[in-house]
Amino acid sequence: EVQLVESGGGLVKPGGSLRLSCASSGFTFSGYAMNWVRQAPGKGLEWVSYISRSSGNIFYADSVKGRFTISRDNAKNSLFLLMTSLRVEDTAVYFCAGGSSGLDYWGRGTLVTVSS
Amino acid sequence: QSVLTQPPSVSAAPGQKVTISCSGSSSNIGNDYVSWYQQLPGTAPKLLIYENNKRPSGIPDRFSGSKSGTSATLGITGLQTGDEADYYCGTWDSSLSGWVFGGGTKLTVL
Repeated sequence: EVQLVESGGGLVKPGGSLRLSCASSGFTFSGYAMNWVRQAPGKGLEWVSYISRSSGNIFYADSVKGRFTISRDNAKNSLFLLMTSLRVEDTAVYFCAGGSSGLDYWGRGTLVTVSS
Repeated sequence: QSVLTQPPSVSAAPGQKVTISCSGSSSNIGNDYVSWYQQLPGTAPKLLIYENNKRPSGIPDRFSGSKSGTSATLGITGLQTGDEADYYCGTWDSSLSGWVFGGGTKLTVL
C-alpha cells in the first residue's frame, strides 16, 4: 500500500520559517516526480512546487518563488519543503503528491498556520 | 481566480447522472492530459480519473472522463450519497510550468 506522510507543520509568526517533510513507502519513490500542493481553509487546491525524479528540474508557483525550496532524498524516500519569509496567506494544509500520472498519490497533509 | 474553470456546484438525485465541466486553454487542457480528483469532507484529494479517461484500480466505472479541445468533463452515473464531495480537475500548464486546478465543484446528492 502506498503511503505518503507529511510532517513539520505548525504555528509560526509572519516572517518565520518551517521545514515540511514527506515520508513515502509502498512505491518506488525515486521513480516519480513529486509535488507539494496546498489548500487554504475553505478554499480549493493550489499547486506549490514540483521536483523531478533526479532533482534536475524544479518549478515553483509564482506565489512562493524565492521563498520556498523543494528538495528530495531518494535514498531516504523523502520529500521536503523549506518555507521561509512566511506570510499570513501561506496558511494552508500542505499535501505532498506524486505518481506516474503526476498526482496519483496524496498524503493526508500537514497544517501550516502563519499568524502573529 | 483558478486557471481552469469549473461550476461551483452541481446537484442531482440518488441514482441519477451528473456531469462536471472543466474549461481551460491551449497551454493546459489543450496541451496535456486531464486528471480528476475527489475530495470527501475532511480528507485528502483522491485520484479519480487520469489521462483524460482512465480509472485507477478500485475506482468504479460509474465514474468517467472525457476531453475535447480545451475542455474536459467528468461524468458520474448511479449517484450515491457517498459521492457527495468536492471534485477538482487538474492538468500541467506548459506556460506556467506547473500544475493548475479548477476551483472545485461541490456535488450534492439530494
